[in-house]
Amino acid sequence: DGGITQSPKYLFRKEGQNVTLSCEQNLNHDAMYWYRQDPGQGLRLIYYSQIVNDFQKGDIAEGYSVSREKKESFPLTVTSAQKNPTAFYLCASSTRDRGDYGYTFGSGTRLTVV
Amino acid sequence: RKEVEQDPGPFNVPEGATVAFNCTYSNSASQSFFWYRQDCRKEPKLLMSVYSSGNEDGRFTAQLNRASQYISLLIRDSKLSDSATYLCVVIPGGGADGLTFGKGTHLIIQP
Repeated sequence: DGGITQSPKYLFRKEGQNVTLSCEQNLNHDAMYWYRQDPGQGLRLIYYSQIVNDFQKGDIAEGYSVSREKKESFPLTVTSAQKNPTAFYLCASSTRDRGDYGYTFGSGTRLTVV
Repeated sequence: RKEVEQDPGPFNVPEGATVAFNCTYSNSASQSFFWYRQDCRKEPKLLMSVYSSGNEDGRFTAQLNRASQYISLLIRDSKLSDSATYLCVVIPGGGADGLTFGKGTHLIIQP
């Protein structure tokens, strides 16, 4: 069955370290996205990519970096420059079919800075 | 990026009751609208799309009012399993640059 896989499910990071969150999809979707969710808040867009080797900043890109070397993969690196990285991170992908956008979410990675 | 606003609740509703909540959006060029459901510590899942003509899926009815820029969700005969956070989601323009989420409305169905 097709879907999006995020790993790991839980991640602990020491202050000052970079960490990379994995997102892989086998849905053949062109577009992929990273969102961040804080307690009691909605999802906020970090980065998105509409095509391989291209990506754009979202609303809160500072302290994050991404790459899109393959259609299936869109890893997110949380750098030491991100001052408050503890959050729930969600990856999504989408396709446009007959004018409707089908979005699929991964199950998320919960990052905690210790 | 324009905002999507929701009453955060919580809405405490007895089982079997009807509950409705609204969401307003500020970007009049918004193209598509959705309600997502999110359970605690889980990813959001699509509940239903919202069309101008309104749409119904079982106990759930969604409506869009473009003139007033709001969408609504009505849940009839509420079940305990309906307890969740309901996220109002808007595609602001071209669609391929991501979704704009409201902060969600927390619904608690009480036995």
